[in-house]
Amino acid sequence: DAGVTQSPTHLIKTRGQQVTLRCSPKSGHDTVSWYQQALGQGPQFIFQYYEEEERQRGNFPDRFSGHQFPNYSSELNVNALLLGDSALYLCASSLVGQGSYNEQFFGPGTRLTVL
Amino acid sequence: AQSVTQLGSHVSVSEGALVLLRCNYSSSVPPYLFWYVQYPNQGLQLLLKYTSAATLVKGINGFEAEFKKSETSFHLTKPSAHMSDAAEYFCAVAISGGSYIPTFGRGTSLIVHP
Repeated sequence: DAGVTQSPTHLIKTRGQQVTLRCSPKSGHDTVSWYQQALGQGPQFIFQYYEEEERQRGNFPDRFSGHQFPNYSSELNVNALLLGDSALYLCASSLVGQGSYNEQFFGPGTRLTVL
Repeated sequence: AQSVTQLGSHVSVSEGALVLLRCNYSSSVPPYLFWYVQYPNQGLQLLLKYTSAATLVKGINGFEAEFKKSETSFHLTKPSAHMSDAAEYFCAVAISGGSYIPTFGRGTSLIVHP
């Protein structure tokens, strides 16, 4: 049973460019969350997708957008890249619960470097 | 809003020694609390979680943590460190009855000396 997978593993972009990161959730999961982990910091929540819609969003600008596909996979898009966007981007999947906690399983991340 | 504070960005122990990683939380409602481990070039793995049941929580790899409401703490311990425990450890808090999106601390790097 494959866990959460992310692609690419590493990515180098220049300021002002746009980037798309991809995530496939763990089998049976229907919810995908994205986190940004800057060097030496803990992960920060960007947004969560369920039923192809953004369900909740953290404190990130509109340059960060996402999408969820019918097969539950997800993309994270970042426009107009800034140097400060350099980070490890983590995807986590879970099975939505109604008023209950369901564990998030994390992928290995995509390391984005903005030059 | 909820938050966690991890005391000490680095903790160094000898192999076989007690591991103690400190976490204090702030939450206006009963919290869910988590400890995650991150090995180099890998994602986060859940070690253990507190979800308002028993206050002493046992996790994987011999780790455990105790929820102390009076101290707003959720410290992680392991009786005997192993070289393979060297990693980054994150404490996180989520609001029970809410969306359960965890808020993470800044992490503590555990260094294990032979």
